[in-house]
Amino acid sequence: AQKVTQAQTEISVVEKEDVTLDCVYETRDTTYYLFWYKQPPSGELVFLIRRNSFDEQNEISGRYSWNFQKSTSSFNFTITASQVVDSAVYFCALSEATWSYQKVTFGTGTKLQVIP
Amino acid sequence: ETGVTQTPRHLVMGMTNKKSLKCEQHLGHNAMYWYKQSAKKPLELMFVYSLEERVENNSVPSRFSPECPNSSHLFLHLHTLQPEDSALYLCASSPGTGTKGYTFGSGTRLTVV
Repeated sequence: AQKVTQAQTEISVVEKEDVTLDCVYETRDTTYYLFWYKQPPSGELVFLIRRNSFDEQNEISGRYSWNFQKSTSSFNFTITASQVVDSAVYFCALSEATWSYQKVTFGTGTKLQVIP
Repeated sequence: ETGVTQTPRHLVMGMTNKKSLKCEQHLGHNAMYWYKQSAKKPLELMFVYSLEERVENNSVPSRFSPECPNSSHLFLHLHTLQPEDSALYLCASSPGTGTKGYTFGSGTRLTVV
């Protein structure tokens, strides 16, 4: 069975601080995909990134960066110079590799509050 | 305009009512999903449709009945619900495995009284 653990339930930071959201996963599959989603107060989850299990290169997109370490089964997400608009619940997720659809298991989410 | 549209946004229903949630996407995606989001719990996958065929049913009670009449529409029919079924119901779609994740709708906030 697949499992995603986000140990941080809530985090508060002051604007412009850097913040890292932790994600640890469990799977027996050798091929799988990892995701991060953002859920702002409006409720709609927004896809941020997908990585496959064979690609351990770190990725940077603007103020966002992701650190995938297969050895520790972790896929952490860092926001640099946080802004109030970053306030949201962030979900880490894991998917089996199927050919026709994505069966995604989500973590419980980390609520990030950025204080002005 | 969001790629996945869910209606209604809010729904209050009694335990003896019958109602339906609707989800629509025109992204050309071939897979559609229903998730349930309750407070303090992970998102729970309920149903998956791939190419209009149900491929996953995660031990969901029969009072929830999905329907996928075509690749653009997905329904969740509700009847004789319980108060613990109150939650945010999210619809999502995806282009199969692809390079992107799900595209989610804004959800239907359901309250069972």
